[in-house]
Amino acid sequence: GQQLNQSPQSMFIQEGEDVSMNCTSSSIFNTWLWYKQDPGEGPVLLIALYKAGELTSNGRLTAQFGITRKDSFLNISASIPSDVGIYFCAGPRGGSQGNLIFGKGTKLSVKP
Amino acid sequence: DADVTQTPRNRITKTGKRIMLECSQTKGHDRMYWYRQDPGLGLRLIYYSFDVKDINKGEISDGYSVSRQAQAKFSLSLESAIPNQTALYFCATSDLAGNTDTQYFGPGTRLTVL
Repeated sequence: GQQLNQSPQSMFIQEGEDVSMNCTSSSIFNTWLWYKQDPGEGPVLLIALYKAGELTSNGRLTAQFGITRKDSFLNISASIPSDVGIYFCAGPRGGSQGNLIFGKGTKLSVKP
Repeated sequence: DADVTQTPRNRITKTGKRIMLECSQTKGHDRMYWYRQDPGLGLRLIYYSFDVKDINKGEISDGYSVSRQAQAKFSLSLESAIPNQTALYFCATSDLAGNTDTQYFGPGTRLTVL
């Protein structure tokens, strides 16, 4: 079945460092979404990507829609303590319009 | 006020009990969803509804039922709770816009089944 694989599963970094994470799919996507879940909260949409090759920024966050349409990347520059949380990629669930499939998440910890 | 609210926020219950989790939204969205989150497994879809009276099974619907009483309300029931239903449950809403179906999540309900 359709799957999203996120890497890495977890990261422990020092404040100020840059962060990179990625998501790969077993099938082609026409949309990629990146969500962040703060501890004790529900996920919140960070960035949405709609075209292969698209590069979109939201403050210190930059996400890219891979040209193969089977992957996406999220980068965080100059990390700060409030970047802590779980980052999820998501895309349209095949054959089921309006549904999303989520990756298992990358858990980010930031040491001050 | 939050756009998507869930009640209760925390619940501890015993095996075999019937439990209902409630979700309300003020976003005016037609579509509503129930997910469960388990550590290391991400978000898995339980049920979803695209309109009042429309109910669809997700990935893991066994042991759960839902009711869409009104556009703004979508409730999740566990008819006979079991310990492996201990998880964090999220309600979400969406309104198809453009190319994507961006979803907005509630704060979650932490359910523990003893």
